Amino acid sequence: DTEVTQTPKHLVMGMTNKKSLKCEQHMGHRAMYWYKQKAKKPPELMFVYSYEKLSINESVPSRFSPECPNSSLLNLHLHALQPEDSALYLCASRLGGGRGTEAFFGQGTRLTVV
Amino acid sequence: QKEVEQNSGPLSVPEGAIASLNCTYSDRGSQSFFWYRQYSGKSPELIMSIYSNGDKEDGRFTAQLNKASQYVSLLIRDSQPSDSATYLCAVNKSNRGSTLGRLYFGRGTQLTVWP
Repeated sequence: DTEVTQTPKHLVMGMTNKKSLKCEQHMGHRAMYWYKQKAKKPPELMFVYSYEKLSINESVPSRFSPECPNSSLLNLHLHALQPEDSALYLCASRLGGGRGTEAFFGQGTRLTVV
Repeated sequence: QKEVEQNSGPLSVPEGAIASLNCTYSDRGSQSFFWYRQYSGKSPELIMSIYSNGDKEDGRFTAQLNKASQYVSLLIRDSQPSDSATYLCAVNKSNRGSTLGRLYFGRGTQLTVWP
C-alpha cells in the first residue's frame, strides 16, 4: 500500500478565512513533505518534516503554517492567503530522506483563494 | 543554475516509437533519482527510481544514470497514447549533516503519443 490521503480535494477560501489542509499516511514513513504546484510548473518544495520535526522550511511566508501532530498526520494551516496562493497543494511521504527511499504523493488539494 | 534541468519539450512521438526524456542536475552530492508521470490536473505518480550508474529496466521503461555527466534519462519503449503526460525528473539532494534530502523537481517534459 503506497497511499497518501489528502483532504479536502478542493477548497475555496476568502482572503480573511482560516482553513487547514490534511494529509495522512499509514506506511510508517518518517519524512513528510508539502509542495505547491502552479499550472504548468513543477512542484515547489515548501516544508519537510522528519520524525515529526520540521527540518526544512523553504522560506515560506508565515501565512502557511505546517504542523505534524504524529507520524501519520501532516497539516497545513492557512490564514490570510492571497489570490496568488491559489495552486495545487501536494503532500508526499517517504520512508526516510536518504538513498533508496521513494516519495509517494497524495492526490492533492486544489486551492482557490478569492 | 537550477538544481534540475529538463528539456521542456513538448515531445511528440507516434504510437509504438521510443520516447527519450532527458534530465541534468547540478549537485554532485545528489544520491537518488526519480521519474514521475503527471497527468493534467492530477498528482505526480512515481514510475522509476535509480540510484547507481547504468540502466534500470521496468517493463517498457528504462532509466539511465550517469553520475560523472550528472545526467539521467528515461526511455519509454512501444509508446502508447496513454503515456501522454508530463514527465518530471526529481533529484534527492542531501541536507548537510543529515541524510534527509530535499527532493527537487525539474520543470517537466510534456509527452504526446499520437495514434
